[in-house]
Amino acid sequence: EIVMTQSPDTLSVSPGERATLSCRASQSVNSNLAWYQQRPGQGPRLLIYGASTRATGVPARFSGSGSGTEFTLTISHLQSEDFAVYYCHQYHYWPPWTFGQGTKVEIK
Amino acid sequence: AQLVESGGGVVQPGGSLTLSCAASGFSFVAYGMHWVRQAPGKGLEWVAFIRSDGTIKYYADSVKGRFTISRDNSKNMVYLQMGNLRVEDTAVYYCANFYGEQVYAEFFQLWGQGTLVTVSS
Repeated sequence: EIVMTQSPDTLSVSPGERATLSCRASQSVNSNLAWYQQRPGQGPRLLIYGASTRATGVPARFSGSGSGTEFTLTISHLQSEDFAVYYCHQYHYWPPWTFGQGTKVEIK
Repeated sequence: AQLVESGGGVVQPGGSLTLSCAASGFSFVAYGMHWVRQAPGKGLEWVAFIRSDGTIKYYADSVKGRFTISRDNSKNMVYLQMGNLRVEDTAVYYCANFYGEQVYAEFFQLWGQGTLVTVSS
């Protein structure tokens, strides 16, 4: 099983600033990495797949990078609707399909 | 396209419950289906998968032997039969699959709204 570890658990950021979220895989997943956003009371929303490709309709302030075992999600110029929990997800080796434990981006 | 879960509720430890997921707006018979759960205040945990034709099923170790996934392609439905329920099975259960704007995707693109299962005495 590939274990996904996200850091930090919580990130306090002021609106308009940049947030940088990290995700590490216990073994290489190549670029088979997706990022999801989850707002309270809602299901996950796909943001990024293939480690760096934005899903349709996702604002350009969201960007993903990395390959192998180290990945980053960057949110530039944070807006109020961006304060949420973010999950990374590997789909390179399955089953099981695995997720990170999540990073909560909160208002500073 | 949408997925709509139902069947959640409160059940005692050791009890059973069956969740349903109704699919619409896409070719259901062409897609594998998954259940993913989220315990209160916790992260996402994949639970079970069934292939498009129902011939292959996978389960998380945490539910193997207790949960059974099935589907009815004539009704565009997928089910999760949960038995010998434990307090730690308390979660919102999401139905999900790879259907979406990215064809041949191997990541989750379509999610339901979830249904809450509470295991408590």
